[in-house]
Amino acid sequence: QKEVEQDPGPLSVPEGAIVSLNCTYSNSAFQYFMWYRQYSRKGPELLMYTYSSGNKEDGRFTAQVDKSSKYISLFIRDSQPSDSATYLCAMSAPGANNLFFGTGTRLTVIP
Amino acid sequence: GAVVSQHPSWVICKSGTSVKIECRSLDFQATTMFWYRQFPKQSLMLMATSNEGSKATYEQGVEKDKFLINHASLTLSTLTVTSAHPEDSSFYICSARDAGRASYNEQFFGPGTRLTVL
Repeated sequence: QKEVEQDPGPLSVPEGAIVSLNCTYSNSAFQYFMWYRQYSRKGPELLMYTYSSGNKEDGRFTAQVDKSSKYISLFIRDSQPSDSATYLCAMSAPGANNLFFGTGTRLTVIP
Repeated sequence: GAVVSQHPSWVICKSGTSVKIECRSLDFQATTMFWYRQFPKQSLMLMATSNEGSKATYEQGVEKDKFLINHASLTLSTLTVTSAHPEDSSFYICSARDAGRASYNEQFFGPGTRLTVL
């Protein structure tokens, strides 16, 4: 079983839709949870960062962590064509150097 | 803040030659840098972890003699692909941890280097 599971998609939504992206994980030691956005042929860009359980909101983006279910989500409200990218979840345990990445979900927002 | 650059952004080389890729943290000090490889439509694969002033730690299956990593300063790490072959063609991405934010485990990524070996 992989440490982090993420549906690769692809996911296509109309402009203005609410997008839900999810990851599950198996390692209960993970405490730090991140979402990265990667445009084609570019490096990943950190979008959201969360420590432990709870919600975090930043503009149109909301990150949720449910440690009891080992499940994290990223919601994008009022999606825009510029949101079209691959979204990678990543997580790590305290004191660890490594990040464990999901495979990424490719999102396309259709105008 | 937290900008990481990579050079070159793309490179084409002949089989058998060596290619050096530089990764720099521009506005912070990075005691730890990471090198990843990414194939089309796939996620990031960690190749090695590089700590300033010490030898890199390679992931299982990554040949350390083929992928030479040097982290000579707090702002620069280099990856040299030696005797490159077509199967080494890939997108290589580095990331860096901000030493000033040791309590976090955020990694800031460079823009990547696309290597094509003919």
